[in-house]
Amino acid sequence: GAVVSQHPSWVICKSGTSVKIECRSLDFQATTMFWYRQFPKQSLMLMATSNEGSKATYEQGVEKDKFLINHASLTLSTLTVTSAHPEDSSFYICSALGPNAEAFFGQGTRLTVV
Amino acid sequence: RKEVEQDPGPFNVPEGATVAFNCTYSNSASQSFFWYRQDCRKEPKLLMSVYSSGNEDGRFTAQLNRASQYISLLIRDSKLSDSATYLCVVNQPGTYKYIFGTGTRLKVLA
Repeated sequence: GAVVSQHPSWVICKSGTSVKIECRSLDFQATTMFWYRQFPKQSLMLMATSNEGSKATYEQGVEKDKFLINHASLTLSTLTVTSAHPEDSSFYICSALGPNAEAFFGQGTRLTVV
Repeated sequence: RKEVEQDPGPFNVPEGATVAFNCTYSNSASQSFFWYRQDCRKEPKLLMSVYSSGNEDGRFTAQLNRASQYISLLIRDSKLSDSATYLCVVNQPGTYKYIFGTGTRLKVLA
């Protein structure tokens, strides 16, 4: 299947700082990528849809000023968690649509805010 | 009603057993259906797409019942390595946004 690379795989940061997570499609171009969050023992929850060259669209209840998304090229989308707080600690996962509309996921980023 | 519902399990089965999972979805207009596998603390990996005619990939068979709005996954001859959480995924109609079930945990026992 297609390869999606996410970096970093884990990060610990202090409360109030910002963290940037990168999502790259390595062997295909992705005009659309998705960002999810998964809390322990819960399902993946879609946060936002990242569209190359345009603004991201956010799901209800997700603060766009807190979770900044940039999709500057066909192979890279970034999610920046601004002014992170302990309740933002979670597993963040990106995905990109493959040629048959199946979603391929990055390895995920485990964020811990202390 | 949740958009995608799954029995969380766990299903504990012996090696070699056949096990089946069901998943129901609420929006009859959904068109894309998938099963993903997620290992502990890892990202989901695509197991198989689910087609109206049903499809099989080795020991895995997926079925879609549009009338009753459920999809199923059958695993034959279970292996220890099949132990994981199986996620049912359905698209939001008219979009490529995917809605995930909470997953069904499978433990295959030696």
